[in-house]
Amino acid sequence: NAGVTQTPKFQVLKTGQSMTLQCAQDMNHEYMSWYRQDPGMGLRLIHYSVGAGITDQGEVPNGYNVSRSTTEDFPLRLLSAAPSQTSVYFCASSYEISVRGFGTQYFGPGTRLLVL
Amino acid sequence: DAKTTQPTSMDCAEGRAANLPCNHSTISGNEYVYWYRQIHSQGPQYIIHGLKNNETNEMASLIITEDRKSSTLILPHATLRDTAVYYCIAGLLSQFYFGTGTSLTVIP
Repeated sequence: NAGVTQTPKFQVLKTGQSMTLQCAQDMNHEYMSWYRQDPGMGLRLIHYSVGAGITDQGEVPNGYNVSRSTTEDFPLRLLSAAPSQTSVYFCASSYEISVRGFGTQYFGPGTRLLVL
Repeated sequence: DAKTTQPTSMDCAEGRAANLPCNHSTISGNEYVYWYRQIHSQGPQYIIHGLKNNETNEMASLIITEDRKSSTLILPHATLRDTAVYYCIAGLLSQFYFGTGTSLTVIP
């Protein structure tokens, strides 16, 4: 298994540009989520999905859109990038219920985004 | 969703046990306590979780107080590779709040 993969690893955008951060998992996990991490801070939940066709907002959803058309993929879209969205973005997936307990998440390596 | 409080930083001598405390006084009855760690800027790594009972796996032990208001993560024999930021989280999957964690430095 490749686990959770994210592309790209690095990205530089200009203010107002749009882009999509890709996230994929090959573990057949129902639950997927997106976090952002700013310098010196912990991770903050942006959006999450409990299965294909179902998404919901987390703690900091403004400026981001998501969709979940398949179990494997959960892309994060920035419609009009702003400097405040400069951050490291992590995608994660989880069994909704498993022998390891509800909430054991596997994280991707992250995407580092700089918005100028 | 319960918020957690952890010390900002801790040091531990290599080979000794590292005991990382966490306060989660507002935890609800159905909320698990999870511990993750983040090494450098990598994605967080799951360590252990528990609900009421103490738990142990190949990485660590988790001690939860009887009133569930606090817990302690124990790394029994810390190595230099255990230097990382450790996050204690108490909540449901849709309300997973990472605080700033405890920066653990293992000293040779």
